[in-house]
This record gives sequence, C-alpha cells and structure tokens, in this order.
Amino acid sequence: DAKTTQPPSMDCAEGRAANLPCNHSTISGNEYVYWYRQIHSQGPQYIIHGLKNNETNEMASLIITEDRKSSTLILPHATLRDTAVYYCIVSNDYKLSFGAGTTVTVRA
Amino acid sequence: NAGVTQTPKFRILKIGQSMTLQCTQDMNHNYMYWYRQDPGMGLKLIYYSVGAGITDKGEVPNGYNVSRSTTEDFPLRLELAAPSQTSVYFCASRYGGNTDTQYFGPGTRLTVL
Repeated sequence: DAKTTQPPSMDCAEGRAANLPCNHSTISGNEYVYWYRQIHSQGPQYIIHGLKNNETNEMASLIITEDRKSSTLILPHATLRDTAVYYCIVSNDYKLSFGAGTTVTVRA
Repeated sequence: NAGVTQTPKFRILKIGQSMTLQCTQDMNHNYMYWYRQDPGMGLKLIYYSVGAGITDKGEVPNGYNVSRSTTEDFPLRLELAAPSQTSVYFCASRYGGNTDTQYFGPGTRLTVL
C-alpha cells in the first residue's frame, strides 16, 4: 500500500471549515483514499472514501487532486465533537495501514 | 445490532501470564481484524481473517495467536505476556470487498507488569 503524509496537528475554530491535507504521491491506480477518525481513544470511525472523483456525505467532503497525489478532507462546519485524530489511508485491498494521523483540535 | 463487541475493557496481567481477548460481531461480516495501538501511535495490524477457518498474519503477529471457528468470533490469544504487549487492542470487521467500511470495537486496554 502507498504511504501517506499528514501534518501532525492542526487547530480549527468552531463553526468554521476544517481542511485536512494528505499527500500520497506513490498512490497506484487502483488504490482508494480512505479517511477514518479516532475520538479520544475510542475505536476508529469511518468518514469517507474515494478513488478519483470528489465525494461528499453527511460527515465530510473529500477532494482528490486530478493526479491523485494528494487529497483534502473537509469538515464543513467543525464542532467541538470533531476534535479527534484523523487518519488518511490508501489501500487497494481489505487491509488498512494506519499512520500517526493528524490531531485536530476544534476550539470554541 | 450490537456491532463489534470486545471483552474485557481493561486487564492487568503479570509477565508470563496468558489471556484471551474476545471479539464478536453480529453483522455477518466475513473479514475480521486485530490491531494494537501504542500511545501516540497509529494502529498496527496483528492478525486478520477473511472467513471462518482462515487466518493470516499482519504486521506485528509475534507473541499472539488467533482462531476463527465461527463467522462471529475472532479471539486473540496472548501467550507469555510481556511488558511490550502493553497496549490498546482493537478488533474490527467488514463485510467484504475493497471499499467496504471497517467497523471497530471499543478496545481492550491491556497492561502487563
């Protein structure tokens, strides 16, 4: 599986959009980009995934660049409950490889 | 559905003791996984199973064993516990297919003293 690079931490103001970057320059053509988050040592929670096109669901939007070498997870209106570690993962099979992720702190 | 359940929530072991971490899912998922997470780190895959009777090693299998006799259960066995196995253990499952969501249990916090 391709490796990903994420900033170790970022802050966000409550009510504002949070934009979380992820680099995956060695991604191969059949690898998907997944985002999971982990709130306060709970089990990770699925957020969204995509292959080439941008995706949106009730939690977030995923923007993948045309060359697929990077992506951005957008939390449109961050709340205090969105404070968590966010993991960007690329995979083309049933195994996921978790890095250290980005610790996102949403401040009031 | 209860989803993925794990027992116990917490456990303290002495060096050399053994124990089994239980994991059960009620979603009829084919794939099941065991991960460990050390403080400040991401999750590392210990073992996984693609169906009853089939298991395979992940990144960090040493010191652990698994079995998958039913679709629902995927116990993780620690033999001869060592301080290096102090960690939080997460079980996960997914139905199948490359894009299916993995669902995680609440974790078991294990300390080996």
